Amino acid sequence: AQSVTQPDIHITVSEGASLELRCNYSYGATPYLFWYVQSPGQGLQLLLKYFSGDTLVQGIKGFEAEFKRSQSSFNLRKPSVHWSDAAEYFCAVGAVSTDDKLIFGTGTRLQVFP
Amino acid sequence: GAVVSQHPSWVICKSGTSVKIECRSLDFQATTMFWYRQFPKQSLMLMATSNEGSKATYEQGVEKDKFLINHASLTLSTLTVTSAHPEDSSFYICSASGTTEAFFGQGTRLTVV
Repeated sequence: AQSVTQPDIHITVSEGASLELRCNYSYGATPYLFWYVQSPGQGLQLLLKYFSGDTLVQGIKGFEAEFKRSQSSFNLRKPSVHWSDAAEYFCAVGAVSTDDKLIFGTGTRLQVFP
Repeated sequence: GAVVSQHPSWVICKSGTSVKIECRSLDFQATTMFWYRQFPKQSLMLMATSNEGSKATYEQGVEKDKFLINHASLTLSTLTVTSAHPEDSSFYICSASGTTEAFFGQGTRLTVV
């Protein structure tokens, strides 16, 4: 079955601390992997995506993610969190064709303390 | 980057009435659009896949007659919630497929009273 698991429902970090959000997937075909961020009452903004090639991908706002096929993981990282990073983060997986639907994880809510 | 515009951003309607939500790809053509529903503090659940010029494909458990989807052009898909009830209150988000990624609208907050 195709699925995405985000084990951490809620994470709290101090501003300036490093961050890692976990994502594990189960997908039968070659996956496209995405991380999106959602502010309250807003749509989704793409942070980064992985299709192929270098397994460490750089995204916007200083985020990066590493694809590890052996672990079926695509964890999101940021070396130093800013207060404005507080939001909901969703990992998603899709097929090679973008006409296919995305399967989302349950999300991780990030709270940042000053 | 590509822009997907969703309208309205919020709507309040009376129980039993119908509400139409529009999703437009502003600077690219999208043969496929997706409609998602998001309950408070939960993830996005795909409702249906909207295909230009053909019938939408609904996910299991989604009522086709209640959530009418029309994708009449390459830049516009609409979702009509018919005979809305309070349990239909939710956040609805559309997305349109670009070349290498999906672009999301800003979402519509529907409240049925």
